[in-house]
Amino acid sequence: EAQVTQNPRYLITVTGKKLTVTCSQNMNHEYMSWYRQDPGLGLRQIYYSMNVEVTDKGDVPEGYKVSRKEKRNFPLILESPSPNQTSLYFCASSFEGAGEFTDTQYFGPGTRLTVL
Amino acid sequence: RKEVEQDPGPFNVPEGATVAFNCTYSNSASQSFFWYRQDCRKEPKLLMSVYSSGNEDGRFTAQLNRASQYISLLIRDSKLSDSATYLCVTSNFGNEKLTFGTGTRLTIIP
Repeated sequence: EAQVTQNPRYLITVTGKKLTVTCSQNMNHEYMSWYRQDPGLGLRQIYYSMNVEVTDKGDVPEGYKVSRKEKRNFPLILESPSPNQTSLYFCASSFEGAGEFTDTQYFGPGTRLTVL
Repeated sequence: RKEVEQDPGPFNVPEGATVAFNCTYSNSASQSFFWYRQDCRKEPKLLMSVYSSGNEDGRFTAQLNRASQYISLLIRDSKLSDSATYLCVTSNFGNEKLTFGTGTRLTIIP
């Protein structure tokens, strides 16, 4: 089954304790990205990756890191989480858009993170 | 001003009715346009792309007005299963920069 998986689905942690949220896709997609969703603010892009070893900042990258060592995986790292990073996080993947064409984004099920 | 603006609703509509949403975007460089659907606490899923000539998929019709920079979604003969939040999405170029609206919440009432 074609899918994007995220782990963990739910996480409660404390300020300053490093954590990693994993994201994996089995569709051989080049493009992967991370979003956070907050009430009244919608989905905001954190980081994206056009392919292996190619990553770039989205709209709200502060406090986050990513890496893309393999095509299928795109982990999100919070080195020192703070309460303002409490949010619902989504990973997404797609084929690389050709020119001006934007391909369908496939989203993971989401990770609900609470930082105390 | 938000780059993509939507009326948050909620829209409470009786089953079988027709409902329309609009979405305005401020970036004239936007190239691609989409409607995504998000059920409560679930991931967004593509509902339909929006083409310049307008397009229809069953009960759903999407329109794009580049001159006025707005996108619309029309749902005819609404079903209970249409209850969801509808997200308007624009893209500048390829996949690099997707911008999501905050969504319009729709509830279909039996």
